[in-house]
Amino acid sequence: AQSVTQLDSQVPVFEEAPVELRCNYSSSVSVYLFWYVQYPNQGLQLLLKYLSGSTLVKGINGFEAEFNKSKTSFQLRKPSVHISDTAEYFCAAGGYNTDKLIFGTGTRLQVFP
Amino acid sequence: DARVTQTPRHKVTEMGQEVTMRCQPILGHNTVFWYRQTMMQGLELLAYFRNRAPLDDSGMPKDRFSAEMPDATLATLKIQPSEPRDSAVYFCASGLGETQYFGPGTRLLVL
Repeated sequence: AQSVTQLDSQVPVFEEAPVELRCNYSSSVSVYLFWYVQYPNQGLQLLLKYLSGSTLVKGINGFEAEFNKSKTSFQLRKPSVHISDTAEYFCAAGGYNTDKLIFGTGTRLQVFP
Repeated sequence: DARVTQTPRHKVTEMGQEVTMRCQPILGHNTVFWYRQTMMQGLELLAYFRNRAPLDDSGMPKDRFSAEMPDATLATLKIQPSEPRDSAVYFCASGLGETQYFGPGTRLLVL
């Protein structure tokens, strides 16, 4: 069965510092991978997705993610964070033969001035 | 900029009352999902539809919850009777293919 693990429940970081949020998935079949962001009192917003092709995917708000098949990882990165990046970040995985997404438990990114 | 819309955005009700939440998926999308989000359980899939047909409602308490799509522009999630443990944020998402797009949610408080 497919599963998604986000190892860090909280990541504190200072403004303008780089950040990496970790995500690992388990699947015996090809996967689609997603990162969503949830700002307070809002719905989940798509940041970026990996479907196929280049393993480095660029998204909105300066975020990018790297798909690593051998490590079954999909890490989210940003070289310099802003206060406004404070939010909950969810990694999710889907597959060719399903409409459903499996979500991780989320990582709370807290950016301090 | 097409978006999923949900109504109401907030609902406070008393235990035992019926609650109906509505969702308008993005035009042209053929899948609709209902999720519930709580601090304790995180994000849970309750039910989903493809081309208006219910495909999976295994995450939904059958005795009190029901989900329907009376037409392609409307999905409903109903709780009858509501209980305090149903207090949560309920999200609708729609999709076409592999990607899901979420609405702003309905924040439900059952007293």
